[in-house]
Parts: sequence; structure tokens; C-alpha cells
Amino acid sequence: GAVVSQHPSRVICKSGTSVKIECRSLDFQATTMFWYRQFPKQSLMLMATSNEGSKATYEQGVEKDKFLINHASLTLSTLTVTSAHPEDSSFYICSAKLQDRPLDLFNYGYTFGSGTRLTVV
Amino acid sequence: DQQVKQNSPSLSVQEGRISILNCDYTNSMFDYFLWYKKYPAEGPTFLISISSIKDKNEDGRFTVFLNKSAKHLSLHIVPSQPGDSAVYFCAAGNSGNTPLVFGKGTRLSVIA
Repeated sequence: GAVVSQHPSRVICKSGTSVKIECRSLDFQATTMFWYRQFPKQSLMLMATSNEGSKATYEQGVEKDKFLINHASLTLSTLTVTSAHPEDSSFYICSAKLQDRPLDLFNYGYTFGSGTRLTVV
Repeated sequence: DQQVKQNSPSLSVQEGRISILNCDYTNSMFDYFLWYKKYPAEGPTFLISISSIKDKNEDGRFTVFLNKSAKHLSLHIVPSQPGDSAVYFCAAGNSGNTPLVFGKGTRLSVIA
């Protein structure tokens, strides 16, 4: 089945540094990937939609200059948290949707990475 | 504006009994609905889904019911097991290349 690999699973960085999170589709091509963020005991909030070969679409309230998204290939999207601050500490999850007959699938083609726990100290 | 709502943040159920998790939505354009189970520091795990053209879908111990007129769905787990203890998210989507919209989740605790 479709697998999305997300790395790293956890990272600790110093305030002011940048952190890159990778999301790879292992056995399918993903023209679009989605980046979510989850604060403790909160829902998964969509941050941005990453489109291969074009600019990402950011949700309202998400700073595009702080959360840089690059989707340079059909199997890789990256999220870079720039100049990280302690309030950026959160759980980040990527997701991709299969384009080939997703309605035939029980999960409608949505596949999630295992998430990245970012702690900024 | 919260399009998918899970109004119960937590639920506690005795082992062997039925767990009922509820979800409401506001957007009538959603084509399908999914339930996910999630542990801390892990990605969500798909459980069961239902198309908007159906009112029930069953898979083993899990059954999802959809009431379109009320814009309400529920997940029934029976019998509940201690291993079912986790946070359950309701999500909704529609056709096209759009992201899922998630509820806030309900923490289920199954007590042995």
C-alpha cells in the first residue's frame, strides 16, 4: 500500500536555528502533500498544501516566511521551520493523497507520515 | 469556523461494553468521512470510513453511522478493549485534491 515516510521522528534544536522536516512518498507519486501541526491535546490543524513544482498554499495565520515548504519532486516535500522559537515546538505531520482511483480505497487515498516532534529550547 | 466538531474531549468505557464516539459537521459538501486512531507522537492510523451516500459501514468491531440530515456521524466500537484506548479523530473530505478536515478528537479510555 501507499507509504509516506517522514523524517526525523523527533528533533531538538536551539532557538534561532532552522530545522528541516522531510516527507517522502515511497511507492507512489504525490503531486500534492499536506502539512499539519498538532499542539498537545489539540486537533490536527492544516498548515499548508504543498504542490509539486509550484508555490505552496498556506492557511490563514501561517507565516509562509517562517514555514518554508519545498516540493521539488513528485516524491519529496520538505518543511523548514526557520528561526525556530520555543512556541514552534509542536508535532508536525505530513500527508499525501493518492491520485489514482482514490475513491476505490477505504481510506480514500489519504496516507500520513509518522510525524515529527519538534522541541525548540 | 470549525467544520468538523467532536464535542466530547474524553470518554471512559468499561471493557466489553460499547464505545460511542460522536462527530458533527457543518459543510454539506463533504463526500466522505473517516475515523482515525492516534497515539501521542505518532501519525494517525486509519480505522474506518463512510461515503456520504451510505448510512452505515461496518468493519469487525467498528461501525460508523452517518445521518446526513443531522450532519452527524458516530463510531461504535463493540466490544471495547483496553487496546482501544487512544485519541480518536473524525475527519471529512471531498473529491479532488483537497486536505482532510479534522475534529479536535476524543480521548477514549477503556477500563479493564
